[in-house]
Amino acid sequence: AQSVSQHNHHVILSEAASLELGCNYSYGGTVNLFWYVQYPGQHLQLLLKYFSGDPLVKGIKGFEAEFIKSKFSFNLRKPSVQWSDTAEYFCAVNAHFQKLVFGTGTRLLVSP
Amino acid sequence: EPEVTQTPSHQVTQMGQEVILRCVPISNHLYFYWYRQILGQKVEFLVSFYNNEISEKSEIFDDQFSVERPDGSNFTLKIRSTKLEDSAMYFCASRGEGTPAIVAGANVLTFGAGSRLTVL
Repeated sequence: AQSVSQHNHHVILSEAASLELGCNYSYGGTVNLFWYVQYPGQHLQLLLKYFSGDPLVKGIKGFEAEFIKSKFSFNLRKPSVQWSDTAEYFCAVNAHFQKLVFGTGTRLLVSP
Repeated sequence: EPEVTQTPSHQVTQMGQEVILRCVPISNHLYFYWYRQILGQKVEFLVSFYNNEISEKSEIFDDQFSVERPDGSNFTLKIRSTKLEDSAMYFCASRGEGTPAIVAGANVLTFGAGSRLTVL
């Protein structure tokens, strides 16, 4: 069965700081990888996804993630965070056309 | 941009009452899902639905839960006799058919805004 680990539960940063949120998964086969964001009071939104090809994926709002197959990782990065990036970030994994499995989420607070 | 819509946005109910949460998936999508998120916890899979039947369900999805696609557009989640621990945000999601290489957005779940259920 697939599982997803997000090691940072709470992250507090100042504006303009760089961000990296860890995500590791366990699954032996080919997977699709996602980062979803949930802004306060809003629904889950897709930030970026990886299916195949270039392991460095660029998403919306300046976010990117790198798939490192040997490490079973898909860390999310942003060079310079803004106050508006305050949200909860969920890493998710699925094998092709199977259910999406979410990590526990990382709550990011960006102070102005 | 197509959306998944959910109603109600918030429902408060008494323990033991039946609740129906409604979802209108994106019109050309064929796979439907319910997830839930208990406050402060992770998003958990409940059930997936395809071709008018349940394709997978989690341990959470016991006999108190049921899903239905009554009219070809709505996708409902029913909880027969609610318990306090059913209090959560319930998310509906849908996706299209096909492989990602062929169909843009295939295998990507689009989520609704959620229905917050409070059981007293």
